[in-house]
Amino acid sequence: SAVISQKPSRDICQRGTSLTIQCQVDSQVTMMFWYRQQPGQSLTLIATANQGSEATYESGFVIDKFPISRPNLTFSTLTVSNMSPEDSSIYLCSDRLGGQFFGPGTRLTVL
Amino acid sequence: AQSVSQHNHHVILSEAASLELGCNYSYGGTVNLFWYVQYPGQHLQLLLKYFSGDPLVKGIKGFEAEFIKSKFSFNLRKPSVQWSDTAEYFCAVILDSSYKLIFGSGTRLLVRP
Repeated sequence: SAVISQKPSRDICQRGTSLTIQCQVDSQVTMMFWYRQQPGQSLTLIATANQGSEATYESGFVIDKFPISRPNLTFSTLTVSNMSPEDSSIYLCSDRLGGQFFGPGTRLTVL
Repeated sequence: AQSVSQHNHHVILSEAASLELGCNYSYGGTVNLFWYVQYPGQHLQLLLKYFSGDPLVKGIKGFEAEFIKSKFSFNLRKPSVQWSDTAEYFCAVILDSSYKLIFGSGTRLLVRP
């Protein structure tokens, strides 16, 4: 199984600012996935990131709010833009289909 | 809409008790099924998964789950829990050839020593 790391592990941000979260996988993977886990809730898929193409967003998530980059087969970033307290969540990346393994997550608090 | 239901939101057990956490999904096609665990302060870990074959799946740390297609269920079991099993448990499903993991709402398990 791949090892996934995320940076930062946590952050506290001010309303209106943006944060970019990095996800690094130790092997090349075709698809990477970004999830959100809001406080006390389950995980929701934000988008799927393929290398060399635009990310595919799930219903309720838009590129302007959550721009994603996928410059190569081992790395992706998710930006949370123009943050509000409602964006306080754990953001996780995942590396592959079926038997998906998750990174440790980024705990974001927006004041 | 397809969904995953976990009936018990909170479960409290004493050590050595047996555990069964329910998971049901609403979808008539092919499914791949997963159980994840999230220990306090830690990241999500895969406990076990079912793709095909033997419907009784054994995972890590003594957990197992049984896929009962007629009941649309994939319940998680452990014959004797330990204090260290205190965690939140998530059931998840992938439908047909979709790539999307659909998660249940989670069950918080507290095991009293």
